[in-house]
Amino acid sequence: GAGVSQTPSNKVTEKGKYVELRCDPISGHTALYWYRQSLGQGPEFLIYFQGTGAADDSGLPNDRFFAVRPEGSVSTLKIQRTERGDSAVYLCASSLRGWGTQYFGPGTRLLVL
Amino acid sequence: ELKVEQNPLFLSMQEGKNYTIYCNYSTTSDRLYWYRQDPGKSLESLFVLLSNGAVKQEGRLMASLDTKARLSTLHITAAVHDLSATYFCAVDDSNYQLIWGAGTKLIIKP
Repeated sequence: GAGVSQTPSNKVTEKGKYVELRCDPISGHTALYWYRQSLGQGPEFLIYFQGTGAADDSGLPNDRFFAVRPEGSVSTLKIQRTERGDSAVYLCASSLRGWGTQYFGPGTRLLVL
Repeated sequence: ELKVEQNPLFLSMQEGKNYTIYCNYSTTSDRLYWYRQDPGKSLESLFVLLSNGAVKQEGRLMASLDTKARLSTLHITAAVHDLSATYFCAVDDSNYQLIWGAGTKLIIKP
């Protein structure tokens, strides 16, 4: 079956711009996670959704970052007033419930110039 | 706060050799995961370890968990070039967050 998909695969933007990153989880998975990964490091947790609600958003670095999952399936990570330090690979993962193996998408490489 | 440490962070080895990657974590957890990441690719799940003494094997890779020592190992037997990748362990913090190690970059030379 289809895995987790993310779009776009690459995004180049200018400092101060707004970006949206999309994640389409595995069908039927109620849990969805966003991570950020910088070069040479492990993923850094951003936010976890259970269904439509954000069960844990403690990893969002500041109020420029926001994520939604309005129908409990597709999620969008939104970054306002992007900064060069936001450049990273943004990974999305889903799992059947709030525990168990997380299945990762291919990621979106964000470059802020 | 749960912290996860892997070592070594970098490992270069010859084909045919055996080696072990270690993953230590700082507080009690019920679940530990091993993932593989190829350059420029996403993360692929390898193993889930759910209880003390758990051992799982897939091909030349074997993972084990000692919850009392808060230690997991990933053992590579008779390494082959195709196993070259970065390997991450991740520990569930009981709030459905995974806390990740920094990764072990493994290079296997023919």
